[in-house]
Amino acid sequence: SQTIHQWPATLVQPVGSPLSLECTVEGTSNPNLYWYRQAAGRGLQLLFYSVGIGQISSEVPQNLSASRPQDRQFILSSKKLLLSDSGFYLCAWSLGGFTEAFFGQGTRLTVV
Amino acid sequence: ELKVEQNPLFLSMQEGKNYTIYCNYSTTSDRLYWYRQDPGKSLESLFVLLSNGAVKQEGRLMASLDTKARLSTLHITAAVHDLSATYFCAVDDTDKLIFGTGTRLQVFP
Repeated sequence: SQTIHQWPATLVQPVGSPLSLECTVEGTSNPNLYWYRQAAGRGLQLLFYSVGIGQISSEVPQNLSASRPQDRQFILSSKKLLLSDSGFYLCAWSLGGFTEAFFGQGTRLTVV
Repeated sequence: ELKVEQNPLFLSMQEGKNYTIYCNYSTTSDRLYWYRQDPGKSLESLFVLLSNGAVKQEGRLMASLDTKARLSTLHITAAVHDLSATYFCAVDDTDKLIFGTGTRLQVFP
């Protein structure tokens, strides 16, 4: 069966520090991968999605970037965090629309 | 740009009552999904609707899709406290999955 791993679960980082969040999927090949951010009490904002290795589409201009170095690995990065980067970050995978997306457990990021 | 709107944003309902959450979207997609999120948790898939007229039911929840009206509904029958959560619809837009604003449901005795 397929599983998705996302870590860390919680992170407190100072303003201006770098960020690296990692997400890996097991049990499937060539999934679509997504990064979402959810501000407190709000909806999900699509940040990046990827349909294949090295293929990244950015939805929202910001100081974040994403990479997909391997088929089932998706990384969210920042060189310098801002206070506004605080939120709940969720990684998800799907098989391209005919099935639902499955979500990781999320990373709660607090920038102080 | 695809827009997905839900209403109401917040719903407080008494146990045993029925209610419907609405999800409107602006594209011609025929693939729509419903998710549940408990406070502080990730999202859990509830329903997958892949064609016009699709209807899915699980327990006290029933979801339907009308692609011509670009509308999906999530109907709650005889609500119980365990259904308290935030419910999201999401629309597939050629590899992008766009979420609605969410409906926070609170069921009280």
